[in-house]
Amino acid sequence: DQQVKQNSPSLSVQEGRISILNCDYTNSMFDYFLWYKKYPAEGPTFLISISSIKDKNEDGRFTVFLNKSAKHLSLHIVPSQPGDSAVYFCAAALSGTYKYIFGTGTRLKVLA
Amino acid sequence: GAGVSQSPSNKVTEKGKDVELRCDPISGHTALYWYRQRLGQGLEFLIYFQGNSAPDKSGLPSDRFSAERTGESVSTLTIQRTQQEDSAVYLCASSLGDRDTDTQYFGPGTRLTVL
Repeated sequence: DQQVKQNSPSLSVQEGRISILNCDYTNSMFDYFLWYKKYPAEGPTFLISISSIKDKNEDGRFTVFLNKSAKHLSLHIVPSQPGDSAVYFCAAALSGTYKYIFGTGTRLKVLA
Repeated sequence: GAGVSQSPSNKVTEKGKDVELRCDPISGHTALYWYRQRLGQGLEFLIYFQGNSAPDKSGLPSDRFSAERTGESVSTLTIQRTQQEDSAVYLCASSLGDRDTDTQYFGPGTRLTVL
């Protein structure tokens, strides 16, 4: 039973355009969400997070949007750069627990 | 400063053998996690250590899997009588343990191949 789903296994975007990565979750009790980026042969690195009390969090070129009613979050990268090419994982957590539930990842390719 | 390190980076073993994977967390991080990533899958939580509390072992897939942590330092994940389905990348992460600002920092992983 996949509680966190990333339905697009891959995405290609032209350099300079917006990349939108999507994530859906099934458990309405999740209250903390994160995005991680992973390059080949490296561990995932933290990118950005959002608490359920917010619907948007921005950090430079990266913005995460949370739609609690739809149980959906998205990561926007604008403008996209070739160095953004990586696998992006979303993760969700329940309040009071440190157990993050990860999605299966979306491979982003930014074309120069 | 030093990040999370894991060893070995790659391990090839024969079915039925035992393997031990090591994780060195970031100094000062009280929380430590083990995850598994099978080919084409997301990160699967295995076990969580926080300070001196009893570990959360709820993600361990079978009794062939066990993990230990010495204080707030090194952790080892042991897989006994390995099976081919154990083949995966095993990732370790550590964090400060502060829920509000908790960010998990991952090591590069150990790629385990069971023949």
